[in-house]
Amino acid sequence: QKEVEQDPGPLSVPEGAIVSLNCTYSNSAFQYFMWYRQYSRKGPELLMYTYSSGNKEDGRFTAQVDKSSKYISLFIRDSQPSDSATYLCAMSAYSSASKIIFGSGTRLSIRP
Amino acid sequence: EAGVTQSPTHLIKTRGQQATLRCSPISGHTSVYWYQQALGLGLQFLLWYDEGEERNRGNFPPRFSGRQFPNYSSELNVNALELEDSALYLCASSSRTGMGEQYFGPGTRLTVT
Repeated sequence: QKEVEQDPGPLSVPEGAIVSLNCTYSNSAFQYFMWYRQYSRKGPELLMYTYSSGNKEDGRFTAQVDKSSKYISLFIRDSQPSDSATYLCAMSAYSSASKIIFGSGTRLSIRP
Repeated sequence: EAGVTQSPTHLIKTRGQQATLRCSPISGHTSVYWYQQALGLGLQFLLWYDEGEERNRGNFPPRFSGRQFPNYSSELNVNALELEDSALYLCASSSRTGMGEQYFGPGTRLTVT
């Protein structure tokens, strides 16, 4: 079993819809949680960073962490075609960036 | 401000050859990380360099090696290439050795035939 599981998609939704992206994990020691966005032929860029449990909101993006269920989510409101990308969840038990475990990514397509 | 740059963009090698990939971090960043992104596997951590020293390496064989130069740029070398080494190799840099933001380059696509 992988430490981090992420549905590869592809996920296709109409413009304006609310998108929910999810990851599950098995290591209860994880306490740093991140979401990255990766456009085609580009490197990943950090979207959201959360420490421990709870919600974090940034514009149209909301990250949720439920440590009791070992489940994290990224919600995108009012989705735009420019949100079409691969979204990677990532997490770590340690503060060192060299210990980050990445999910395999979910490919998201927003239809105009 | 220039982002992380990587060269070459694409690299095609045959099995058994050596590949050298290069990375220039954002100005002022001292840490460089290398990742392998194979299809369907997500990013796998390869190596971490900070202040010229190798600080940590992932679960990869010794034929994956690298170095960091005094100007903090970095090189990843892959010896005795195997078909399964075909992947996108990403470099990231950060300004701190902790959980500060990592900024990724566009990657080098390595194809081994």
